[in-house]
Amino acid sequence: DAGVTQSPTHLIKTRGQQVTLRCSPKSGHDTVSWYQQALGQGPQFIFQYYEEEERQRGNFPDRFSGHQFPNYSSELNVNALLLGDSALYLCASSLGTGPLTWPQHFGDGTRLSIL
Amino acid sequence: QKEVEQNSGPLSVPEGAIASLNCTYSDRGSQSFFWYRQYSGKSPELIMSIYSNGDKEDGRFTAQLNKASQYVSLLIRDSQPSDSATYLCAVNMRGGGNKLTFGTGTQLKVEL
Repeated sequence: DAGVTQSPTHLIKTRGQQVTLRCSPKSGHDTVSWYQQALGQGPQFIFQYYEEEERQRGNFPDRFSGHQFPNYSSELNVNALLLGDSALYLCASSLGTGPLTWPQHFGDGTRLSIL
Repeated sequence: QKEVEQNSGPLSVPEGAIASLNCTYSDRGSQSFFWYRQYSGKSPELIMSIYSNGDKEDGRFTAQLNKASQYVSLLIRDSQPSDSATYLCAVNMRGGGNKLTFGTGTQLKVEL
C-alpha cells in the first residue's frame, strides 16, 4: 500500500523564480493538504484540495497556488520566490474533509532552498 | 496567545523512564487531536489520535485529553533512545474541517 509520495525531494532555486512541487496521496485518500515547515517551527497550513477545488486556505499570499487532478494527485506552485520561502514543504492526504475523518498522513516532503 | 502551545524543550529523560509531553490549545470547540513524531530532517509521523476526553493507549504511548482544561498530553513509557525526536501536537479547530494547526513541537532526548 503506497503511502504519500512527493517529488522532488530537494530543490534549489533563486529569488524570483517559480517552482512546482508534486504529491500523490495515499491509496484510497481523496483529499490533499499542503503545509510549509520552516526550521524549528511546526508545519503551517497552506491550503487543501478536495474534488479538484481549493476548499480551505491558510494565511499565505497568492504567490502560492495549487491544483488537484482527477486522480487526486496535487501540485503546489510558488511564484516570485523569496528567501523566506526556504522550507520543508509537506503534503498530507486524508479521506474527506470533515473534522472527524481519518488522520492525515504526511509524505517525506520537498526541501526547497532559495539562494 | 498561540492557538496551539507546546514547551519547546529539550525535555531530557533517562532511558526506561516515562516522558510526559504537554500541549494546550485555544479553541474550546476543537474536535480532533493528534501527536506526530518528527525525527531531524524527516517528515512528521502520526503516532496517536484522540477524539474524546480520557486516555487512549497504544503500546508504550498514552494520549490524554481534557477538553474542559483545553490540554492534551502524550506519555511515553519505558522511553528508549530511539524515541529521541521532536513531538508535534496538532489540533483540528472548530470550523477548520480537518485542517491541522500545529504547535512548535517539544524536543525529547532520551539519555542512556
